[in-house]
Amino acid sequence: KAGVTQTPRYLIKTRGQQVTLSCSPISGHRSVSWYQQTPGQGLQFLFEYFSETQRNKGNFPGRFSGRQFSNSRSEMNVSTLELGDSALYLCASSLESDHGYTFGSGTRLTVV
Amino acid sequence: GENVEQHPSTLSVQEGDSAVIKCTYSDSASNYFPWYKQELGKRPQLIIDIRSNVGEKKDQRIAVTLNKTAKHFSLHITETQPEDSAVYFCAASIYQAGTALIFGKGTTLSVSS
Repeated sequence: KAGVTQTPRYLIKTRGQQVTLSCSPISGHRSVSWYQQTPGQGLQFLFEYFSETQRNKGNFPGRFSGRQFSNSRSEMNVSTLELGDSALYLCASSLESDHGYTFGSGTRLTVV
Repeated sequence: GENVEQHPSTLSVQEGDSAVIKCTYSDSASNYFPWYKQELGKRPQLIIDIRSNVGEKKDQRIAVTLNKTAKHFSLHITETQPEDSAVYFCAASIYQAGTALIFGKGTTLSVSS
């Protein structure tokens, strides 16, 4: 079966711009989480969605937002990009919130 | 909130040796503890997980132990092979209404032949 699909794989944006990243979970998975991965901070939780509802949010500024659609696909948006937002953004999906999460390959965002 | 400490940050072993990675967590309410393996340039992959109602779980050469009283859990890899070389992350979460995995900083394991 198809895994977790993230698009695009790479993005280069300029400071001040905004960006939208997309995630298609494994078919049937209703829980989708987003993580930011950087060499210095490691893997940090952004937010988690289940059946179109945000149920958990990490400690990130309001510039980071997300949503989930009725087909479980999810998007995350970062507005007013800063250099420090450069990172690998990973999406993960699960059948239910207490099952193991499967990660996508991520979107590498570079802010210049 | 939850905080997960992971040690060591790097670990070098000879092929065939055992490797142990340890994590501690701060929130006694955490009840789910997965381990992920991330090879260079690839996605994190779940290799084993354990829930708080279990003290130990084993899958071939990999085992995880959990000590709820001390709030720590460990990954044990026996008979290591070069393909075990990767970054390993532990995580902890509290399942209530949703799951937020809180990760340790990772351990870079190098297995030399």
